[in-house]
Amino acid sequence: GDSVTQMEGPVTLSEEAFLTINCTYTATGYPSLFWYVQYPGEGLQLLLKATKADDKGSNKGFEATYRKETTSFHLEKGSVQVSDSAVYFCALGWSSNTGKLIFGQGTTLQVKP
Amino acid sequence: EAEVAQSPRYKITEKSQAVAFWCDPISGHATLYWYRQILGQGPELLVQFQDESVVDDSQLPKDRFSAERLKGVDSTLKIQPAELGDSAMYLCASSPGTEGTEAFFGQGTRLTVV
Repeated sequence: GDSVTQMEGPVTLSEEAFLTINCTYTATGYPSLFWYVQYPGEGLQLLLKATKADDKGSNKGFEATYRKETTSFHLEKGSVQVSDSAVYFCALGWSSNTGKLIFGQGTTLQVKP
Repeated sequence: EAEVAQSPRYKITEKSQAVAFWCDPISGHATLYWYRQILGQGPELLVQFQDESVVDDSQLPKDRFSAERLKGVDSTLKIQPAELGDSAMYLCASSPGTEGTEAFFGQGTRLTVV
């Protein structure tokens, strides 16, 4: 069945460091791909998305490119801030039913000043 | 800004007791989802509603879980009887239901079964 695999955390970085969180997926067909962020004690917020191969999603300095050939959707940010500390979830879904999502296990990011 | 409302935020219950969670989606959103997020894992879909109808409950443990959305607006998820393994965050999400539209999540209900 469809699935998403993320790199295990926690990822601990110093402020202004470069961030990469790896995500790969297995799916039948061509899903849409998402990154969600969960701040402590809160629900999930959509960070960015890409709906087809080679699309790049971006938001708040974060980027991810939909790579069909490697079935990947890695999250990157050039310079992290303490306020980026959160849990990041990669997910796949379908444009016809965008709330029906398959999530990875989440990666905790801790950014230290 | 419109948001998905959930209550309560936290719930502690004893095993074998009944517990219920409530969700009020964003106004006008036809599709409503309930997810369960066990600590350290990603959310997993329990049930999906389109208006008042269940369209997917394949992952809902129907021997103890039930969900309803009687008027196609707010929804209730019930567990009876609760078990220790039900301790988790229960998230509600809603979307307009049209092609390509985003789903919005509530803040969740943290359930602890003791």
